[in-house]
Amino acid sequence: DAKTTQPPSMDCAEGRAANLPCNHSTISGNEYVYWYRQIHSQGPQYIIHGLKNNETNEMASLIITEDRKSSTLILPHATLRDTAVYYCSVEETSGSRLTFGEGTQLTVNP
Amino acid sequence: EAGVVQSPRYKIIEKKQPVAFWCNPISGHNTLYWYRQNLGQGPELLIRYENEEAVDDSQLPKDRFSAERLKGVDSTLKIQPAELGDSAVYLCASSLDRRVGIQYFGAGTRLSVL
Repeated sequence: DAKTTQPPSMDCAEGRAANLPCNHSTISGNEYVYWYRQIHSQGPQYIIHGLKNNETNEMASLIITEDRKSSTLILPHATLRDTAVYYCSVEETSGSRLTFGEGTQLTVNP
Repeated sequence: EAGVVQSPRYKIIEKKQPVAFWCNPISGHNTLYWYRQNLGQGPELLIRYENEEAVDDSQLPKDRFSAERLKGVDSTLKIQPAELGDSAVYLCASSLDRRVGIQYFGAGTRLSVL
């Protein structure tokens, strides 16, 4: 099962881009990368996912390296409400179980 | 559209007592998950249901934990008897089907065992 590694914490100024890295060097060819975030006292919330191409939606962009061993979640204009723990997860080959690491605590400062 | 609903939000019990958590998934979602989240860590899967069938319960401590999903809709997770180490947040999630990794989580039940 692919394991993910993320920095424990990051800070970002309000209005600036937040770039959250994730290492998943043991990812296999058919495993997707998923990003979720968890605001205090709430359940995790889906953000975005991808296989090998870069992806963008209304919440964020996902950049996956060509070798797929790492990815970066980009919040283009961070707001105070983006303060949360961000989890990078890899879908196991069974297609049914996400494995969450300890995540990155992102703090957006005014 | 209502999201995943869990109850209760908080539960405080003494060790050796039983406890149950309830989850109502998003309407039409066939796959239901129960996770446990310890303080400062990410969620860990306990059990996954496809409709009413438990298809992945390898992480469920079966000596004291049990779960059911009658009629393939609502689900309950039970601990009997509870131990101090069971203190955690218990999260329920649902997805349209098992191939879709997009899971929708409830707010969780915070369990404190004294």
